Amino acid sequence: NAGVMQNPRHLVRRRGQEARLRCSPVKGHSHVYWYRQLPEEGLKFMVYLQKENIIDESGMPKERFSAEFPKEGPSILRIQQVVRGDSAAYFCASSPPNRGTEAFFGQGTRLTVV
Amino acid sequence: DQQVKQNSPSLSVQEGRISILNCDYTNSMFDYFLWYKKYPAEGPTFLISISSIKDKNEDGRFTVFLNKSAKHLSLHIVPSQPGDSAVYFCAALLSGSARQLTFGSGTQLTVLP
Repeated sequence: NAGVMQNPRHLVRRRGQEARLRCSPVKGHSHVYWYRQLPEEGLKFMVYLQKENIIDESGMPKERFSAEFPKEGPSILRIQQVVRGDSAAYFCASSPPNRGTEAFFGQGTRLTVV
Repeated sequence: DQQVKQNSPSLSVQEGRISILNCDYTNSMFDYFLWYKKYPAEGPTFLISISSIKDKNEDGRFTVFLNKSAKHLSLHIVPSQPGDSAVYFCAALLSGSARQLTFGSGTQLTVLP
């Protein structure tokens, strides 16, 4: 019974490159959330997706960041033209339908921009 | 504008004693509160939660207390064990259909043997 799987665990990108972070939710979970944790801070909500739909992206920076959760396959968080300030741990969580209080987190992807 | 605040970045407690972690919130529309535990290089794991219609929820060594009038909640761990050493995050959910969690900045708990 696999939990939320994120890959890669660690990702190093040079400034200006693209970063793609993947998240496979718990089997049967149709809701996915992305959070970002900057050093010495708590997790900050970025985006909430259901299959093929973005429900709430109020926490997502307006430029360079995008997210998708296709009908088949993992959810992807894409960061274009990365900058040093994008360096952070990115966590994905999933929950079953109508039970948003039961969100399970993945182990995170630690992005380092050099 | 932090809506969920954990004012103590760290706490040290002797093994076997009680650990009390505190959390304050400002948004009265929060109606569900959760505590997560996080080890280094891992994701947060759910610990315990409480609905705003209750003032206490207990699960084994963990008890969460909610004081709505003070907009304050606390997590009690008793007895504390070295394996409890981790960062503890308080999180809150808004009433209605919103599902995203609003997190505090965390408290590093160290339980000394």
